[in-house]
Amino acid sequence: ELKVEQNPLFLSMQEGKNYTIYCNYSTTSDRLYWYRQDPGKSLESLFVLLSNGAVKQEGRLMASLDTKARLSTLHITAAVHDLSATYFCAVAPDSNYQLIWGAGTKLIIKP
Amino acid sequence: DGGITQSPKYLFRKEGQNVTLSCEQNLNHDAMYWYRQDPGQGLRLIYYSQIVNDFQKGDIAEGYSVSREKKESFPLTVTSAQKNPTAFYLCASSMALLAGPYTQYFGPGTRLTVL
Repeated sequence: ELKVEQNPLFLSMQEGKNYTIYCNYSTTSDRLYWYRQDPGKSLESLFVLLSNGAVKQEGRLMASLDTKARLSTLHITAAVHDLSATYFCAVAPDSNYQLIWGAGTKLIIKP
Repeated sequence: DGGITQSPKYLFRKEGQNVTLSCEQNLNHDAMYWYRQDPGQGLRLIYYSQIVNDFQKGDIAEGYSVSREKKESFPLTVTSAQKNPTAFYLCASSMALLAGPYTQYFGPGTRLTVL
């Protein structure tokens, strides 16, 4: 069974702290996506990681991909309240148009 | 502006009623998708379409139907056979080339409630 597991599923942290969200997947894939969802809103694309060792950074968020370990991380540096949201990772299995989605990590950043 | 529109934003359905959710995109994307999201949950794929006049079932297609008569449009009908349709419905689109799926871009969603 194809699975994408995120952890933690819920994270409450203080502003200014660093933390990492993990995304493990069970199938071979060289395409991994990170999305952000604000409460009651739609999903916004953050990063697309297309190869082993890929690293992408945008502001305080940095995503990386290790295809051998089947692991992606989303690292938050010096968190600010505006980053509070639910973050999803999704994996594209080889030769397939469907994405397999993680359950999401709800991130709350307290002032 | 290019993007994906969904309507209505909120929809209320009575028991035994069919309702249709609209999804339109002007991104010239070949592939379109419908997802269902329940509170506090991830996304589950209902149907997807890679090309006009063709579509495939996703993981939870029972009780739903779709059509793809135009590249820009991918409406979803929630039939009376769907016993628990209350959820947030998201439409997405992407380029669909032989190299595999590209980033999916999402519409604003339709929140469906059964009365």
